[in-house]
Order: sequence, then structure tokens, then C-alpha cells
Amino acid sequence: EAQVTQNPRYLITVTGKKLTVTCSQNMNHEYMSWYRQDPGLGLRQIYYSMNVEVTDKGDVPEGYKVSRKEKRNFPLILESPSPNQTSLYFCASSHRVTGSSYNEQFFGPGTRLTVL
Amino acid sequence: AQSVTQPDIHITVSEGASLELRCNYSYGATPYLFWYVQSPGQGLQLLLKYFSGDTLVQGIKGFEAEFKRSQSSFNLRKPSVHWSDAAEYFCAVGARAGGTSYGKLTFGQGTILTVHP
Repeated sequence: EAQVTQNPRYLITVTGKKLTVTCSQNMNHEYMSWYRQDPGLGLRQIYYSMNVEVTDKGDVPEGYKVSRKEKRNFPLILESPSPNQTSLYFCASSHRVTGSSYNEQFFGPGTRLTVL
Repeated sequence: AQSVTQPDIHITVSEGASLELRCNYSYGATPYLFWYVQSPGQGLQLLLKYFSGDTLVQGIKGFEAEFKRSQSSFNLRKPSVHWSDAAEYFCAVGARAGGTSYGKLTFGQGTILTVHP
């Protein structure tokens, strides 16, 4: 089954304790992205990657890191989490856009993170 | 920069009534437009999308949306709402290839739909 998976689905941690949220897709997609969802703000893009070893900042990258060493995986790293990073996080992937086309982004189930 | 506004934070309708959720966008060219639905505790599911051509697009679950360039709008409609439609709905605009915002989706704030029996 084609899917985007995220782990863990729920995480409660404390300020300053490094954590990683994993994201994996089995559709051989080139493009992957991380979003955070906050009430009243919709989803905002944190980082995206157009292919292996190619990443760039989205709208709200502060406090986050990403890496793309393999095509299927795109982990989100919080080196020193703070309470304002408490949020619902979504990973998404799609095939690379060519010309004037656009490919649908597929979303993972989300990771609910609470930083105390 | 692209942006999306959903003016209604919360809408309540009765089951069987018609529905229209508003979406206004800002983008420098012809946009890619999307509506997603998020049921409680679930991820996002694509309802429908507009890339080009016919401005009235049909989606899943009986939803449709109309692209109106003159009004910069992409409103979502359904003629008869079912209780299972209760969810949060997001409008999004996507950047076309070639720009610095390649592949980026910009979402609106979301509209929560409550359906009364």
C-alpha cells in the first residue's frame, strides 16, 4: 500500500531534550516536506526537500533541522525543543514537478508533539 | 508571496442543507488550488484540485469547487451535507514549478464544519 508513515504518532517530552520524528514514504517520491499545524493558523511549511541531499527552509524553520540521506526518509530533528514547538506535525511527499504540471502531495497521519 | 484566506473559522449547518465554504487566495499567476479535509484525529485527505481548464471541478464525497479568477476565489460547495462531513476543511494554493517556492503548499487557516442532525 502506497503510504507516508510517521513515528512516533504521539510524543510528550521536556524542554531541551533532543528528539527526532521519522518520516518514510514507499512511493519513490522525490519531493518531501514537513508542516506543522496549529489552531487558527492552518498548516505551515517547516522544511522541504526536492531530492536526496537537497533541502531548503519553509516558512517556519527556526528550531528545526532536517536531513535527506535516502530518498524514502526525511526525519525532522528538534535539537532543543521548546514549549512553542508543541504542535501537530505532518510529513508529505510527491513526485517531482516538471514543466507546468503539479503532483499531488500525500500526507502522513501526523505526529502530535507536546513539549513541557 | 502566495497566501490563502478562509474567512469562516466555524460553520454550522443542518444535515441535508447545502454548504459553501469560502476561500480567497493571493498568487501572482494562475494558481494550483486544493481543498483538503481533516477528520478528527486523522491526516489530510485531498477532496479536489484545480490546475487548469474547466473552472468547476468535481471531487470526492459529492463536493465541488469553482475557480473564479476575477474574485481570486475557490469556494467549496456541497448540495446536501451528511453528518459524516463534519470535519475541518483546508484550502491551499500551490506554487508552480520553476520558482523559489517550488512545490510549496500554502494553507488557509481552516474552517471547522459542524453538522446538526
